Amino acid sequence: AQSVTQPDIHITVSEGASLELRCNYSYGATPYLFWYVQSPGQGLQLLLKYFSGDTLVQGIKGFEAEFKRSQSSFNLRKPSVHWSDAAEYFCAVGEVGSSYKLIFGSGTRLLVRP
Amino acid sequence: DAGVIQSPRHEVTEMGQEVTLRCKPISGHNSLFWYRQTMMRGLELLIYFNNNVPIDDSGMPEDRFSAKMPNASFSTLKIQPSEPRDSAVYFCASNPGQGMYEQYFGPGTRLTVT
Repeated sequence: AQSVTQPDIHITVSEGASLELRCNYSYGATPYLFWYVQSPGQGLQLLLKYFSGDTLVQGIKGFEAEFKRSQSSFNLRKPSVHWSDAAEYFCAVGEVGSSYKLIFGSGTRLLVRP
Repeated sequence: DAGVIQSPRHEVTEMGQEVTLRCKPISGHNSLFWYRQTMMRGLELLIYFNNNVPIDDSGMPEDRFSAKMPNASFSTLKIQPSEPRDSAVYFCASNPGQGMYEQYFGPGTRLTVT
């Protein structure tokens, strides 16, 4: 069965510092991969997605993610974090063969120090 | 474009009462998903529909929960009778289908059962 692991429950970075959030998936073929962000009191917002092609994908709010098949990873990065980036981040993989069901990781909460 | 619309945004009710949550998916989307989010259990998929047909309701916690999708533009999630442990944020999400796996989330309904 497909699964997604986000090994970091919490991450704290200083404003202006770079950020990398880790995501590992289990799936034999090329997966459909996503990152979502959830600000307090809000729904989940799609940051970026990967289906095929260029393994470095750009998203909204200055985020990017890189698909690495050899490591089964899809890590999210941002070169310079802003205080408004404080939120919870979810990685997800599409469950192939289902009716577009997504398997979500448990989330990583990002705290930003001023 | 209007996103996914959920109502009410907040609901406070007493134990034993019936609660109905409503969702209007993005126009033209073929799949609809109901999730529940709590601190303890994270994000859980309750049920999803494809072309208004329930595909998988294995996540529905018990018979007190039911969901319907009478047409492509409306879905309800009903809890009868409600219990304090049902307190959570309930999200609805829709998906465009046609090979695309991304889901678009509504703002959620925060349910408090006292």
